[in-house]
Amino acid sequence: DTAVSQTPKYLVTQMGNDKSIKCEQNLGHDTMYWYKQDSKKFLKIMFSYNNKELIINETVPNRFSPKSPDKAHLNLHINSLELGDSAVYFCASSQTGTGRETQYFGPGTRLLVL
Amino acid sequence: GQQVMQIPQYQHVQEGEDFTTYCNSSTTLSNIQWYKQRPGGHPVFLIQLVKSGEVKKQKRLTFQFGEAKKNSSLHITATQTTDVGTYFCAGPGFGNEKLTFGTGTRLTIIP
Repeated sequence: DTAVSQTPKYLVTQMGNDKSIKCEQNLGHDTMYWYKQDSKKFLKIMFSYNNKELIINETVPNRFSPKSPDKAHLNLHINSLELGDSAVYFCASSQTGTGRETQYFGPGTRLLVL
Repeated sequence: GQQVMQIPQYQHVQEGEDFTTYCNSSTTLSNIQWYKQRPGGHPVFLIQLVKSGEVKKQKRLTFQFGEAKKNSSLHITATQTTDVGTYFCAGPGFGNEKLTFGTGTRLTIIP
């Protein structure tokens, strides 16, 4: 019974394609996040949603569009993929979204754009 | 915006040696959290410190929060191969609910 799950685990695709990554949490948390981890291991927040509402939207190209159909799911759609999008994308969740809470991460999606 | 830096970026130690990573924030933090990411894995929460000058221990790991709440450290005594991974500190500034992760310290152990 995985707490935060992501699919797919690996994604290899050509430049210019559109792809989606899905995330689900069964912890009953209100807040979900997308992080990008580059090859140097830097972990940067991209978006956060609280109860299906967008709360944090960092400086991310508008080719990236998150969607939260309900508070247990947060998907990430990426249009017109570029080489620089290659990274590991982590979904995470926390109880209410304050900075004082533990965040629970999914296993990550390793995206490689060729 | 808030920046959280960690040093060193990389550390290679012989098994049994001690290891320390230092975390420095550009702004005062309401709390500091530490996460560990094993190679190929995802960040996993280790601990949270809230009070100025707080020290907490987990077996061989000692965590400290600075008096000014702008820095923190993680010290591992007598490292083991299971300690391999990247250690991240993370903290929100006061009035800022976003958790900013540090740049991470990647620890490798030489058996």
